[in-house]
This record gives sequence, structure tokens and C-alpha cells, in this order.
Amino acid sequence: SQELEQSPQSLIVQEGKNLTINCTSSKTLYGLYWYKQKYGEGLIFLMMLQKGGEEKSHEKITAKLDEKKQQSSLHITASQPSHAGIYLCGADGNDMRFGAGTRLTVKP
Amino acid sequence: EPEVTQTPSHQVTQMGQEVILRCVPISNHLYFYWYRQILGQKVEFLVSFYNNEISEKSEIFDDQFSVERPDGSNFTLKIRSTKLEDSAMYFCASRLLLAGEVFYNEQFFGPGTRLTVL
Repeated sequence: SQELEQSPQSLIVQEGKNLTINCTSSKTLYGLYWYKQKYGEGLIFLMMLQKGGEEKSHEKITAKLDEKKQQSSLHITASQPSHAGIYLCGADGNDMRFGAGTRLTVKP
Repeated sequence: EPEVTQTPSHQVTQMGQEVILRCVPISNHLYFYWYRQILGQKVEFLVSFYNNEISEKSEIFDDQFSVERPDGSNFTLKIRSTKLEDSAMYFCASRLLLAGEVFYNEQFFGPGTRLTVL
């Protein structure tokens, strides 16, 4: 089965700082998804990447998928307290396998 | 905006009891999923359902679990005899399936049902 490793496990940043979260797959990714979860709540879709080298942005969040389609990064520019939460990467298939998540805290 | 809904939001049950968790997927979606998340752990895939049958299931989805689409709108997860370790958040998700493009759209998740087994 496909395993996804996320790093770091947790991240504390000062408001306004940039940050990057990484997701590495043991196998080639056919579809890589980023979701955000607030503690004890559901998953909110952020972005989906499918092609090697693809990059997508939404507001201050940018996600990239490397050419080999085994690694993705999520970059937040000028972080805000509203960015706080748990970021999950998911690998698509007939099911969805998730990484363990990165817990982001943004200090005002 | 259409969304996946789940009921109840919180279910407390005694060990050994049967529970049914309910989900209403987005109306034109054809692919349905159940996931669970034990507190502090990963979101884990349980089962996917398409065309009125199970498409994939994980090793977690044993004989104690079953899924059903009893009518045109609901999608249910039944746990026959709950164990303490079944305590978790259970998420339903749905996806619009396009022929030949199964990987090309995202899954929409419901808010979850928190199951507590005492």
C-alpha cells in the first residue's frame, strides 16, 4: 500500500512568516490532495495535483508536485492565525491514503 | 454550495451494541467512502462504494462493518457489535465520478460523527 510521510509533524510560526510542509510518497502519485482539518472537525479540500511539475496557488497557499510525482510541498506565504490547523496530504486511488498530518500553530 | 452531511454528530454507545452512522452525499455524486480517525491518529480508509457495491475495503473493514445505500440519498455505515477500539471520528466522503477520469476530482468530506464506545 502507498505510504505518505509528512514533515514536520508540527510547526509553530510567528504571524507573517512563510512556511513549508512536505509530503513524500513511497510510490508514484497519480493524484495528490491537500486537505486542512481543524481539530475534531471535518476535512476541507485545498488543492489537487496530478501532473509532474504542477503547481497551484490559492490565496496565500501554493502546492507543488515534483517531476517524479513522489513528493509534494505546501507553502504558505505571510501566515495568519486563520491558517492554523492540521494539514493532510492524501494519495488518490480507489481509496485515499493520508499522511499523519502537520499541525500548524500561528502565533499572533 | 452542496455539502456532505452526517448524522448524528456524536453517538455514545455501550460495548457490544450496534450503531448505524448516516451520511447524505452530494446529490449527483456516485462514489462514496467511509474513513475513520482515532483521536490523535491518521485518517484511515475503511471502504469505498460504487454502483451499489463495495469497490474497495481496507483490512480494518472486517465482518463487524457493513455499508448500505438504502435509498437514493443516504449512505450508512453499520457496526454490528461495537468494541472500545471503535471509538473514533467517522467521516463520510463522496466524489463525482467521470467515466475514464476517476482520479480527476476531489472527495468532499462530511463533518464527521464522533463515536464513543463505553
